[in-house]
Amino acid sequence: DAGVIQSPRHEVTEMGQEVTLRCKPISGHNSLFWYRQTMMRGLELLIYFNNNVPIDDSGMPEDRFSAKMPNASFSTLKIQPSEPRDSAVYFCASSPPGASYNEQFFGPGTRLTVL
Amino acid sequence: DAKTTQPNSMESNEEEPVHLPCNHSTISGTDYIHWYRQLPSQGPEYVIHGLTSNVNNRMASLAIAEDRKSSTLILHRATLRDAAVYYCILRDVHSGGSNYKLTFGKGTLLTVNP
Repeated sequence: DAGVIQSPRHEVTEMGQEVTLRCKPISGHNSLFWYRQTMMRGLELLIYFNNNVPIDDSGMPEDRFSAKMPNASFSTLKIQPSEPRDSAVYFCASSPPGASYNEQFFGPGTRLTVL
Repeated sequence: DAKTTQPNSMESNEEEPVHLPCNHSTISGTDYIHWYRQLPSQGPEYVIHGLTSNVNNRMASLAIAEDRKSSTLILHRATLRDAAVYYCILRDVHSGGSNYKLTFGKGTLLTVNP
């Protein structure tokens, strides 16, 4: 079975450019999470969707970041405009319905470098 | 959120057992203990979770202290592939609130020597 799919795997862009990261959760999962990992801050939750609805976006750094989930099989995380401090690895994870403590399945991540 | 304390790093030899400790002295009665690990250049992956009783699965065992203030992840025979950062995380079992969150600390970096 395919796991969580993220694209691109690597992205290098210049400051000020728009960046769009994409995620396809595991089929049948109804919860989707975007995390960011940096050396300084570790792994942080950015936003959480349940049944395609954003539930908690308190971890989104600022207005330059936005996330959408137009349907159950696709989500995007957009940064506009990008800044060097946004350089990080961005992970998408999904979780099946049922118990709230179900395990989360992580994708391979997108390594973003903003020059 | 209840916090966990783990050693920054541990070393083990291949094919030997590894005991990774986690202290969570402020754990509440409804907190599940979860373990995830992150292999180099990969996303985190679930290892095991438990509430009160010891748990076993194909990857590892979880030993939970009787007072639940600490737990130990046990890898019975470490392999080179087990070299990773191991995270001990508490999650509230209640359906409300922020129980969906995985709050990652710094974890324990496990090095496995051949």
